[in-house]
Amino acid sequence: DIQMTQSPSTLSASVGDRVTITCRASQSISSWLAWYQQKPGKAPKLLIYKASSLESGVPSRFSGSGSGTEFTLTISSLQPDDFATYYCQQYNSYSVFTFGPGTKVDIK
Amino acid sequence: QVQLQESGPGLVKPSQTLSLTCTVSGGSISSGSYYWSWIRQPAGKGLEWIGRIYTSGSTNYNPSLKSRVTISVDTSKNQFSLKLSSVTAADTAVYYCARSEGPSGYYDYWGQGTLVTVSS
Repeated sequence: DIQMTQSPSTLSASVGDRVTITCRASQSISSWLAWYQQKPGKAPKLLIYKASSLESGVPSRFSGSGSGTEFTLTISSLQPDDFATYYCQQYNSYSVFTFGPGTKVDIK
Repeated sequence: QVQLQESGPGLVKPSQTLSLTCTVSGGSISSGSYYWSWIRQPAGKGLEWIGRIYTSGSTNYNPSLKSRVTISVDTSKNQFSLKLSSVTAADTAVYYCARSEGPSGYYDYWGQGTLVTVSS
């Protein structure tokens, strides 16, 4: 099975900061990677799919990049609504999907 | 606008079977090339993919849960269901149903989640 890791596990930042989260896969997943935002008590929300495609309605300050085994999610200017936990998910395998352990973005 | 809603008992006894249903509204569960999945999240932890079903009945399961999981679909009711047998406290989690497009997909629609506690 493909394993996913994320770094850092927690990130403290201020409003206006540029934030970057890294996700790594244990083997190549091409560009079959999604990013989600989750707030406490809520379901995850899709932000990015196919590594760099922005989901409709998601602010353009969110961007994704990478391919193969290393991927990044960048928030260009952190807003108050962005304090949340972020998960990556691989969907390269047609039979088993896996999520990363998450990165919590909190207020510095 | 597609909506998904989980339903089922919030408390299950150890060794029994957890049963949940996801009702899809705003569209037919049979339309398009959508796969319907279950994902869970223990309190304070990350997301774990449980499995998925296509409306043809084809399923995929997480190998770590495969021996205990059954996912089924009822197209006449626009619902799909999860059964997890021989539950233990480790199965206590918020359970989400979700939709992905195509056989290899990301999740664009999620239910709100339902907490299932395993306790005697």
